[in-house]
Amino acid sequence: EAGVAQSPRYKIIEKRQSVAFWCNPISGHATLYWYQQILGQGPKLLIQFQNNGVVDDSQLPKDRFSAERLKGVDSTLKIQPAKLEDSAVYLCASSLVGGYRTGELFFGEGSRLTVL
Amino acid sequence: AQRVTQPEKLLSVFKGAPVELKCNYSYSGSPELFWYVQYSRQRLQLLLRHISRESIKGFTADLNKGETSFHLKKPFAQEEDSAMYYCALKSGGGADGLTFGKGTHLIIQP
Repeated sequence: EAGVAQSPRYKIIEKRQSVAFWCNPISGHATLYWYQQILGQGPKLLIQFQNNGVVDDSQLPKDRFSAERLKGVDSTLKIQPAKLEDSAVYLCASSLVGGYRTGELFFGEGSRLTVL
Repeated sequence: AQRVTQPEKLLSVFKGAPVELKCNYSYSGSPELFWYVQYSRQRLQLLLRHISRESIKGFTADLNKGETSFHLKKPFAQEEDSAMYYCALKSGGGADGLTFGKGTHLIIQP
């Protein structure tokens, strides 16, 4: 079974530039999550989609971050303009039926962003 | 607000010794807790969940609501247990994203 796919794996940009990350979840997984993991910390939820609708985006810095999942499958997370503190690994995860029964999220390898 | 605390950033034990990774949580509702693990160069993955009351790779974890803890234990550590371990709490209702602790880096020495 193919896992959650993310790209790019690594990205280096200068502050005030923009960047976009792409995620393709496991086939059939209705729920998709974006997490931000800063070095030395645990993953922090940014946004949760159920199909193409947003379930929770309470921790998404909406002045600079945006995310979409237009057809209920792939998703894109964008940062514009980037700040130094956005340097982190951006993890995409997916789960079956919202994951509420099992709590099992399947994670991608992550996209490592460095903002200079 | 819900919170997960893992007090140990690093834990080093010898092979064959018992292991206990601590996790405390703060949550006003009925908690659902999980342990996730990330081995070197691998993806973050589920290790075990409290509702299953299962033992995975020799690890167990018991939810103690009185002490608001969910410590991960293994009686005899093996070298392949070396990894980052994250305790996670699931929020209730329709939004079920996980709140993770900062993680504990477990090193098993030969």
